[in-house]
Amino acid sequence: DTGVSQDPRHKITKRGQNVTFRCDPISEHNRLYWYRQTLGQGPEFLTYFQNEAQLEKSRLLSDRFSAERPKGSFSTLEIQRTEQGDSAMYLCASSLRTGWNTEAFFGQGTRLTVV
Amino acid sequence: EDKVVQSPLSLVVHEGDTVTLNCSYEVTNFRSLLWYKQEKKAPTFLFMLTSSGIEKKSGRLSSILDKKELFSILNITATQTGDSAVYLCAPAGGTSYGKLTFGQGTILTVHP
Repeated sequence: DTGVSQDPRHKITKRGQNVTFRCDPISEHNRLYWYRQTLGQGPEFLTYFQNEAQLEKSRLLSDRFSAERPKGSFSTLEIQRTEQGDSAMYLCASSLRTGWNTEAFFGQGTRLTVV
Repeated sequence: EDKVVQSPLSLVVHEGDTVTLNCSYEVTNFRSLLWYKQEKKAPTFLFMLTSSGIEKKSGRLSSILDKKELFSILNITATQTGDSAVYLCAPAGGTSYGKLTFGQGTILTVHP
C-alpha cells in the first residue's frame, strides 16, 4: 500500500494519560499535515511540516499537543494529559510541494476516545 | 483568521438531479482551492483549482473558482446514490502558504 498510513487506527485511553500517534506519508511527499475532526465538522488544522521543519501550528493548539517529524519522513503527534474534549478523529495528510500548489492525500485516521 | 463557509450545510435530492455546492473563503496568501469527498472515512481528493474561470471536470463532477469574488462551486450532474457524502472545500494559503483550511462541509444525500 503506497498511501498515507496511520497507526493506531483506534485508541481508547483514560483521562490524564499521554498518547502518541504515528503517520507515514506517501514516500516522496515532503509536506505532512495533522488535522483533528469531530462529528459534523470539517477537519480542523493542527500543524504541518515541510520536510522536518514545522512551518505552521494552530493557535488553538494547546501546549499539551506536540508534533515531530525528525527525519522528514514519518511524523508523530503526542497529546499529553488527555482530556475528554480531545476525543476526535486525528487525520494525517501528505503532499508533494510543487511550486505553490499542492494536492494533499489523507490517511484513514486515528480515532481517539478519552474515557 | 482564515475563514471558509460552505453552503448549503445539507442537501437532499433524488437520483438524476443536479446539485451545486458553494464555498466562499477568506484566507491569507491564497494559493489554490481543493475539493474533497468524505464518506465514513478519510476525505478523498477530487479537484485542485488554481486559476479563475477555468472549469475542471471529472465525469459528472465539475468545479470552478472565482478568485476575485473569493468563492468556488462544485457541480454534480445526474446524481447517483453513491454521490451521498460530505463535500469539503479547502483553500490553501496561510502564513506559510501551504496550510489547508477546511469548511464545515455540505452533507449531500441522494435518494433512489
